[in-house]
Amino acid sequence: DTEVTQTPKHLVMGMTNKKSLKCEQHMGHRAMYWYKQKAKKPPELMFVYSYEKLSINESVPSRFSPECPNSSLLNLHLHALQPEDSALYLCASSQADMGLSNSPLHFGNGTRLTVT
Amino acid sequence: QKEVEQDPGPLSVPEGAIVSLNCTYSNSAFQYFMWYRQYSRKGPELLMYTYSSGNKEDGRFTAQVDKSSKYISLFIRDSQPSDSATYLCAATSGTYKYIFGTGTRLKVLA
Repeated sequence: DTEVTQTPKHLVMGMTNKKSLKCEQHMGHRAMYWYKQKAKKPPELMFVYSYEKLSINESVPSRFSPECPNSSLLNLHLHALQPEDSALYLCASSQADMGLSNSPLHFGNGTRLTVT
Repeated sequence: QKEVEQDPGPLSVPEGAIVSLNCTYSNSAFQYFMWYRQYSRKGPELLMYTYSSGNKEDGRFTAQVDKSSKYISLFIRDSQPSDSATYLCAATSGTYKYIFGTGTRLKVLA
């Protein structure tokens, strides 16, 4: 079991649906990340929150909307997705100190998203 | 040129072999280096984390970083079929951007 928990494990949604992915960590980490991973590719950074503030948005389309309600929780709200958005969505966390992360990423097991 | 290069494999070895996995990188600012193991349909699992140059050993795994040649390695001793997975190297300069290699698919044959 990982220390980063993601729900749901699987999600199938239509292009007009609205859904949310959830992530929780209890390691006291202050940086949390969303990654997207396609088959046989490395994880691709989407968003980073540091101390509950959005630090990095890698030019992600607005149909993906992140939210960090507190230091342990991270959500990704999904709306009007396209079939090409089907992928494994990974949450990760790391320690953070004054805008730096000098510790490794700890990943959850991801949500496998299929957009029909 | 990608900042972190990794041979995608696949790499097939017999059970009990020593496996050597390698990455090269181009950014001199990278200080922190990681190896992850990823099984199919799972998230990447942290195997090794090293800072700057040197060796680090943990059980059957040894990570090496040579900053002079910008080369990072992971050695797996006494490889087992359960080691069959994709191995990802990653590096960061301490920012929130971790740069991943493309991953090497390893198959250990029983």
